[in-house]
Amino acid sequence: GAVVSQHPSWVICKSGTSVKIECRSLDFQATTMFWYRQFPKQSLMLMATSNEGSKATYEQGVEKDKFLINHASLTLSTLTVTSAHPEDSSFYICSADSWETGGDYNEQFFGPGTRLTVL
Amino acid sequence: GNSVTQMEGPVTLSEEAFLTINCTYTATGYPSLFWYVQYPGEGLQLLLKATKADDKGSNKGFEATYRKETTSFHLEKGSVQVSDSAVYFCALIGSGYALNFGKGTSLLVTP
Repeated sequence: GAVVSQHPSWVICKSGTSVKIECRSLDFQATTMFWYRQFPKQSLMLMATSNEGSKATYEQGVEKDKFLINHASLTLSTLTVTSAHPEDSSFYICSADSWETGGDYNEQFFGPGTRLTVL
Repeated sequence: GNSVTQMEGPVTLSEEAFLTINCTYTATGYPSLFWYVQYPGEGLQLLLKATKADDKGSNKGFEATYRKETTSFHLEKGSVQVSDSAVYFCALIGSGYALNFGKGTSLLVTP
């Protein structure tokens, strides 16, 4: 099956620093990549949708200047949390879909997530 | 807007017990419905799906039927195994690509 990786799997940083999280589709080209945020015992909340070569579309309430998303290729998207603060601590999950899967629905393949802790 | 409500866990069952995890949804139009599973330390995986009313999705012994009249998509398995221990998420897609997830239900199956 299609595999999506995330790096790093966990990161601890000091308040005020920036952190970059990578999301890669390993064996397929992703038309669209998605970034989610998950709080403990909460649902996954979609943060933004990105298509290769174009600007990301952010969900309402998500600060685009704080959560910078770059989708430079069909296999790589990055999320940079700028000037991170403790309230940004969370579990960040990416997913990717592909027209290759076809059918009436483009299945999203999820990465294992990145645990961010801001001290 | 779209939303998904699923029963809160954790759910603890003995091996070979019957499993039901309830899921109801609110959506305009005719959403597609999904169950995702997240095993410890892994990413979410699609377990099963149904794209129209009365469709039954099934995989690995799990089943769920798209019930439009009750706006439900309950997950069932007749005999759970220890290896089924995971977190299960009900989700829907309305218009567009965005998945709306429930909060997840943790399942622990004991030998």
